[in-house]
Amino acid sequence: DIQMTQSPSSLSASIGDRVTITCRASQSIRSYLNWYQQKPGKAPKLLIYATSSLQSGVPSRFSGSGSMTDFTLSISSLQPEDFATYYCQQTYSVPITFGQGTRLEIK
Amino acid sequence: EVQLVESGGGLVQPGGSLRLSCAASGFTFSSFWMGWVRQAPGKGLEWVANIKEDGSERYYVDSVKGRFTISRDNADRSLSLQMNSLRADDTAVYYCARVHILTTISDWNFDLWGRGTLVTVSS
Repeated sequence: DIQMTQSPSSLSASIGDRVTITCRASQSIRSYLNWYQQKPGKAPKLLIYATSSLQSGVPSRFSGSGSMTDFTLSISSLQPEDFATYYCQQTYSVPITFGQGTRLEIK
Repeated sequence: EVQLVESGGGLVQPGGSLRLSCAASGFTFSSFWMGWVRQAPGKGLEWVANIKEDGSERYYVDSVKGRFTISRDNADRSLSLQMNSLRADDTAVYYCARVHILTTISDWNFDLWGRGTLVTVSS
């Protein structure tokens, strides 16, 4: 199974900050990496697919990059609605696996 | 409106069975792979199973193989998850999700999610 490891597990930041979340795969997953945002009590929401493509309706302050085993999600200028938990997901091979999540909190 | 609505969750004893359903609307259900993802209380996301458009291919996480069965009824626009031999560690919110395939069988994402249904396995 491909293990997905996110860092950090939690992060405190202020409105307007730029933040970066990292996701590392235990083996190459090419570019088959997605990012989801989840708010408490809500379903996950797709943010970024195929490493760097922005899902329709998602603000352009979100961006993704990387390849093979190392990937990042960046938020250029944090807004109040961005405080949530973020998950990466690999779809390269079954079983499909998610990272453990990164909780982004207000400082 | 494009949406997925899960139902069927509840409290069940260890060793028991439960059948979850997901009603799809607002899109051509028969044209999409579908899947189930679960989330134990306070924990992260775990993929459970996917099923092809016509039901001819199904994939499962190892921990549910032989106990859970994913199925679909395209005429009824519904997805199901039959869960047998339930264990305490199956306790979770179960989400139904639509698979959006981009190019290849590996190039996809879950682009539409239901609100989830809670399954609690406890005596």
